[in-house]
Amino acid sequence: EAGVTQFPSHSVIEKGQTVTLRCDPISGHDNLYWYRRVMGKEIKFLLHFVKESKQDESGMPNNRFLAERTGGTYSTLKVQPAELEDSGVYFCASSPVGTVNTEAFFGQGTRLTVV
Amino acid sequence: QKEVEQNSGPLSVPEGAIASLNCTYSDRVSQSFFWYRQYSGKSPELIMSIYSNGDKEDGRFTAQLNKASQYVSLLIRDSQPSDSATYLCAVITLGGSYIPTFGRGTSLIVHP
Repeated sequence: EAGVTQFPSHSVIEKGQTVTLRCDPISGHDNLYWYRRVMGKEIKFLLHFVKESKQDESGMPNNRFLAERTGGTYSTLKVQPAELEDSGVYFCASSPVGTVNTEAFFGQGTRLTVV
Repeated sequence: QKEVEQNSGPLSVPEGAIASLNCTYSDRVSQSFFWYRQYSGKSPELIMSIYSNGDKEDGRFTAQLNKASQYVSLLIRDSQPSDSATYLCAVITLGGSYIPTFGRGTSLIVHP
């Protein structure tokens, strides 16, 4: 069974440009989470989808970030326009609908560098 | 504001020793606790989960939970160089949408 996959693995863009990150969750997983890790800091929650609906987007830093999950399958996270402080590793995780004990499975992350 | 605290390390232990990784959390209604291991450039992978007070053992790994003290730890016995990685503590709180909250992780180095 394929795990959570993320594209691209690494992206280097200039300040002011747009970047779109993609996450393909494990098939059948209704929960999809986006996290970001800035160097030296903890992995911080960005938002949570249940199927195609945004359940919680309290972690999104500002309106330059837009996440979508059309059809409840893969998700995209767009940053427009990118700023230097957006650099970090963006992780996607998915889990099936379950209980508080349900494990989340992570993708390998997209390392975003804004120069 | 839910917080999960970990010492970032690095924690350096000799091969064969016991590595002790600690995590504290601020939200008293936290219910589920997970330890993930992350090798450099790789995705976090779950190695242990614990939900009840006490110890839970799985091979060389033991997770310890003390809800009264809001403390969860991971012990790695007979540490191997291959255990060198960042260990992330994650906490899920009852209620809401069960979103895991992570600490910043502890870097473990096991030297031969």
